[in-house]
Amino acid sequence: GENVGLHLPTLSVQEGDNSIINCAYSNSASDYFIWYKQESGKGPQFIIDIRSNMDKRQGQRVTVLLNKTVKHLSLQIAATQPGDSAVYFCAESLSGYSTLTFGKGTMLLVSP
Amino acid sequence: DTAVSQTPKYLVTQMGNDKSIKCEQNLGHDTMYWYKQDSKKFLKIMFSYNNKELIINETVPNRFSPKSPDKAHLNLHINSLELGDSAVYFCASSRSGDLTEAFFGQGTRLTVV
Repeated sequence: GENVGLHLPTLSVQEGDNSIINCAYSNSASDYFIWYKQESGKGPQFIIDIRSNMDKRQGQRVTVLLNKTVKHLSLQIAATQPGDSAVYFCAESLSGYSTLTFGKGTMLLVSP
Repeated sequence: DTAVSQTPKYLVTQMGNDKSIKCEQNLGHDTMYWYKQDSKKFLKIMFSYNNKELIINETVPNRFSPKSPDKAHLNLHINSLELGDSAVYFCASSRSGDLTEAFFGQGTRLTVV
């Protein structure tokens, strides 16, 4: 299958659990961060973003936390559903540059 | 309506051939990109265009040549395809300026045999 040999970090949870996906970003000067979700056979899809002047932002069932001191970003998904199964990427960018730099993905597997 | 569409979705070709992937966006964005996703799912920027002008060209072999006939289109032409070019290629677009998310197409899975 498509995922054989991927060796992506994987988080396996039960339906209804809360999930936390972590990301260490690379550039301490980055000031804009996005979480993307990529389902099998599809392109990355925007979930939520956060600017560096914030440390927390909430969306529908999702929360992003930013810790600039340790260059860490996390995505919390409440009441995880099987439809949340996908690869999740964090991305960073820097003021003056529109290009996003992606981190390594994390695969989230949700069992019913 | 598809916001960022790229064709073809799958492309299987022999080494040494020349091929093109087309991308169109109907979001009215000024900036378009090509990203390459390898077998480990790592996404890396290849090119960035703003208003038809090349603004970023990461260390991509010159066998890869992007062409932007207008700001809604950014095509990728690849000459003399090599086995290592096998990957999924994503087109994306965003508004001008920074601190803005990119919208991605569905990807083109290129397999070079």
